Amino acid sequence: QKEVEQNSGPLSVPEGAIASLNCTYSDRGSQSFFWYRQYSGKSPELIMSIYSNGDKEDGRFTAQLNKASQYVSLLIRDSQPSDSATYLCAVEGPYDYKLSFGAGTTVTVRA
Amino acid sequence: ETGVTQTPRHLVMGMTNKKSLKCEQHLGHNAMYWYKQSAKKPLELMFVYSLEERVENNSVPSRFSPECPNSSHLFLHLHTLQPEDSALYLCASSQDLGGGGSTDTQYFGPGTRLTVL
Repeated sequence: QKEVEQNSGPLSVPEGAIASLNCTYSDRGSQSFFWYRQYSGKSPELIMSIYSNGDKEDGRFTAQLNKASQYVSLLIRDSQPSDSATYLCAVEGPYDYKLSFGAGTTVTVRA
Repeated sequence: ETGVTQTPRHLVMGMTNKKSLKCEQHLGHNAMYWYKQSAKKPLELMFVYSLEERVENNSVPSRFSPECPNSSHLFLHLHTLQPEDSALYLCASSQDLGGGGSTDTQYFGPGTRLTVL
């Protein structure tokens, strides 16, 4: 069973600041990594996927992966109140289609 | 309709009732999933179907019974549930299963908020 750990938060950041979310995972063979955003009462929405070491940028979001350290992070630049949500880290192994989710980090962007 | 849809969006049922949750995906995907999300807990995978065949039953009690009549539709039949089964039930789909890469990306429906009295 893969374990995925996230700081539960809440993480409070001022508008315009960078929000930094961290995720660690236990299965060294994991190959695919995803960040989902979930607004209160809504379903998870995919915002980033990353498969190789390094950084991947998409608009204000940057995912960072370090497989040696078994660590994946998400940076949200120029945070907006609309970014206030719970962010879920999900990890998939190489021969296992099952996604393991962390419990999520709740982010609050204060105006 | 686009993406993944689920009905009903909210359901209240007694412990002796029988009800069904419906999921439909309009993405041409081959794999479909049921998840349970309880407050403050990680999403729990319940069932996985690939090309209409069940490939995973993640130790789910028999009071939950899935059905996948075709690759676009997935049902979750509920009977004699317990109050601790109250949760958000999420359906998801992906192009394929396994192997890593973008075809495994799962897309979620809006969920059914289930309350068992």
